[in-house]
Order: sequence, then structure tokens, then C-alpha cells
Amino acid sequence: EGQLVESGGGLVQPGRSLRLSCAASGFTLDDYVMHWVRQAPGKGLEWVSGINWKSGRLHYADSVKGRFTISRDNAKNSLYLQMNSLRDEDTAMYYCASGSGGYYPVWGQGTLVTVSS
Amino acid sequence: DIVMTQTPLSSPVTLGQPAAISCRSSRSLVHSDGNTYLSWLHQRPGQPPRLLIYEISNRFFGVPDRFSGSGAGTDFTLKISRVEAEDVGVYYCMQATQFPTCGQGTKLEIK
Repeated sequence: EGQLVESGGGLVQPGRSLRLSCAASGFTLDDYVMHWVRQAPGKGLEWVSGINWKSGRLHYADSVKGRFTISRDNAKNSLYLQMNSLRDEDTAMYYCASGSGGYYPVWGQGTLVTVSS
Repeated sequence: DIVMTQTPLSSPVTLGQPAAISCRSSRSLVHSDGNTYLSWLHQRPGQPPRLLIYEISNRFFGVPDRFSGSGAGTDFTLKISRVEAEDVGVYYCMQATQFPTCGQGTKLEIK
């Protein structure tokens, strides 16, 4: 069964950077669309960024455009999110999710990012 | 962005009774390929979301048949025929016709 494991979260000061990783096991990401989805404490789900693994097409939410960069490593079967110029409002649990055909059945357990001075 | 609006935001339900959650999108979710990419997710406290329903009415693997989805265009509904204790948590409708967006979530709790 496919599994996603996120890592790289932590406490960071405003304005600093952090890089999240999402490692896939049990399946290859070649034919999937991958997304980073975040959830601020006590809030709903916000889709942050996505990449179509096959086409390489990228998408970003307006709230992170110009600050976050999504990327992939085919050899490591992994997804990344480089987060620069972090703000207090970026504090959230960050999940990676994998899907195709417009739905996302595989989710990681999440990695917590806290932006605070 | 497509805005998804759910009602109610909170739903206290008696065990064994039905429950329904509505979801409305700010524009039609019919994709140019003819499909409607409307899903329902369930999230228990401290857990990641779990896919329940995709393309309006298709139950994902392992989802009990007491869950059903319906709707078209901009109006959709998730129904639980008989609520069980394990159904508590927050339910989200989600569209992937464009860059994905979710509703605010509906908290299902037992009376």
C-alpha cells in the first residue's frame, strides 16, 4: 500500500526559510499529481502548491506565490517544498497528498511548521 | 479561485440517525473533459484527511455504503444513512476541477 512521509518541519523565525520533504514508498510518483496542503491550527484545509509529475506543470496558491517553490526528485521518489520569507500566517500542519483523476486518496501524516519569533 | 461553501458548519446527530451536508461551489465544477471533480474528505482529530467520495458519488475503497454523494453543477450533498460513533470529525467538500479548494468544513458530533 502506498505511503507518504513528510519531514522538515519545525520552529522558524519570520523571514527565514524551511524546506519540507515528502517521501513516497510502495508506489512511484510518475503518474500522479502531488500537492502540498496545509492546515492552520483549528482551521480548514488550504491547498498550497501542486505539481503534475508527468508534465511538470506547477501550481501555487496566491498566498504563497513568489515565496514557495515546489519541486521533485524522480530518483528519490520525493516531493519538496522550499518555503522562503516565512510569515506568522504560514504556521500550519503541512500535508503532502497524491492523486490522479481529480481525487487524492493518499495523504501523509503531516509535518508541523511554526513561524514565530 | 472556486469558492466552496458548506452548510451546516456544525451538525449534532443522534447515533443511528441520518445526517446530510451540503456544498455549493461558486461556479460549475464540470470540467472540460466532462467529469465533475467533486470529492468529500473526512478528518478525525489529530489525523490527516481521508478520501470518502470522488467524482460526486463514487465511494473510495473501504468506505461503508452508508455514505453516499449526489449533486451536479454547483450543488452537492453528502449523506450518511445511519451515523455511527466512528463518523465523528470534520467533513470537507473539495473541488479539483481547477486548482483544488475546499469548503470550510462541517463538524459532525454525536448528541
